[in-house]
Amino acid sequence: ETGVTQTPRHLVMGMTNKKSLKCEQHLGHNAMYWYKQSAKKPLELMFVYNFKEQTENNSVPSRFSPECPNSSHLFLHLHTLQPEDSALYLCASSQEDVLRGLSNQPQHFGDGTRLSIL
Amino acid sequence: QKEVEQNSGPLSVPEGAIASLNCTYSDRGSQSFFWYRQYSGKSPELIMFIYSNGDKEDGRFTAQLNKASQYVSLLIRDSQPSDSATYLCAVDPETGRRALTFGSGTRLQVQP
Repeated sequence: ETGVTQTPRHLVMGMTNKKSLKCEQHLGHNAMYWYKQSAKKPLELMFVYNFKEQTENNSVPSRFSPECPNSSHLFLHLHTLQPEDSALYLCASSQEDVLRGLSNQPQHFGDGTRLSIL
Repeated sequence: QKEVEQNSGPLSVPEGAIASLNCTYSDRGSQSFFWYRQYSGKSPELIMFIYSNGDKEDGRFTAQLNKASQYVSLLIRDSQPSDSATYLCAVDPETGRRALTFGSGTRLQVQP
């Protein structure tokens, strides 16, 4: 069991549906991330939240909408997705070192949500 | 040029041998380096991190960092079939408030 919990573990949805992925971290971290992992491709960073503020958006299409109500919870709202959006979506968290910057610290991953778009 | 490069493999080693996994990176100012292990269908799991040039040992794992040559490696001694997984190298993209950059991973197969 990891300190980062993602729900649901599996999701099948049609292209016109609206759904949300949820992530909760129990590690007391102050930064959270969404990644996309497609088959045989490297992890793709989607969004970064630091102290609840979005600090990075890696040119992600607007059909993906993140929400971070507090430093322990992160959501990814999905609407009108495309078949190529089928992938494993991973949430991660880390503790920012104020002096060294965000990326100095290791990230801890949740088990992911396997998303399939019909 | 990719920011973090790894040979995709598969790297096949017999049980008990040393597995050597390599990673090169392009950002000369990078300071922090991480190795993750990912089993098929599972999420990445942190196994090692290194910040300084040289070797860092943790059990059967040794991370080696050479900043001048911009490479970091992971050695796994006495490889076991349970070590069969994809190993991801992650590097911080120099200073600044940005997240880690991951390589595409090397698939390791340990043959019984």
